[in-house]
Amino acid sequence: KQEVTQIPAALSVPEGENLVLNCSFTDSAIYNLQWFRQDPGKGLTSLLLIQSSQREQTSGRLNASLDKSSGRSTLYIAASQPGDSATYLCAVSGSARQLTFGSGTQLTVLP
Amino acid sequence: DAGVIQSPRHEVTEMGQEVTLRCKPISGHDYLFWYRQTMMRGLELLIYFNNNVPIDDSGMPEDRFSAKMPNASFSTLKIQPSEPRDSAVYFCASSFSGRADDTQYFGPGTRLTVL
Repeated sequence: KQEVTQIPAALSVPEGENLVLNCSFTDSAIYNLQWFRQDPGKGLTSLLLIQSSQREQTSGRLNASLDKSSGRSTLYIAASQPGDSATYLCAVSGSARQLTFGSGTQLTVLP
Repeated sequence: DAGVIQSPRHEVTEMGQEVTLRCKPISGHDYLFWYRQTMMRGLELLIYFNNNVPIDDSGMPEDRFSAKMPNASFSTLKIQPSEPRDSAVYFCASSFSGRADDTQYFGPGTRLTVL
């Protein structure tokens, strides 16, 4: 059974810092990996999706990498802003497309 | 596009009552997923459909839970009878298999409280 772990569970940084969120998964036979953002009391917003054949994806200040063989992904956020404060969730998809989620990293960016 | 629509946004009910949650996926999407989020267990897949057909319901916690998708634009998740441990946020998501990236798009969720 696929298990997804996110470290750290919570992170607090001053505005302007670059930061890295980590995600690991136990079964490397994945179809893709998605990073989501969840604001308090809200739904999930997809940030980046990396196909299993890809190594990274970039969107604005966000860069996600994937090392399928080692079962790891990172989400890099450059020049963090208070508006980036949210919970970031990593999820992996098997061939049947259902997602298995990690427990998330709660990020606080202090002004 | 309005995105995935869920109703109601909040539901408070008493133990033993029937609860029905509703979802309208994004038009043209052929996959629909129901997830549940709790503090203790995080986000868990309950059931998903492909072209209105249930594919995997192994995440449905017990027989009190049932889901239907009568057509491509509507799905329901029903709990009967409801119990306090069913209190959670229930999310519906949809995706289109024709996209190369298979991104899942989530609705705003229904916050269910069972007293």
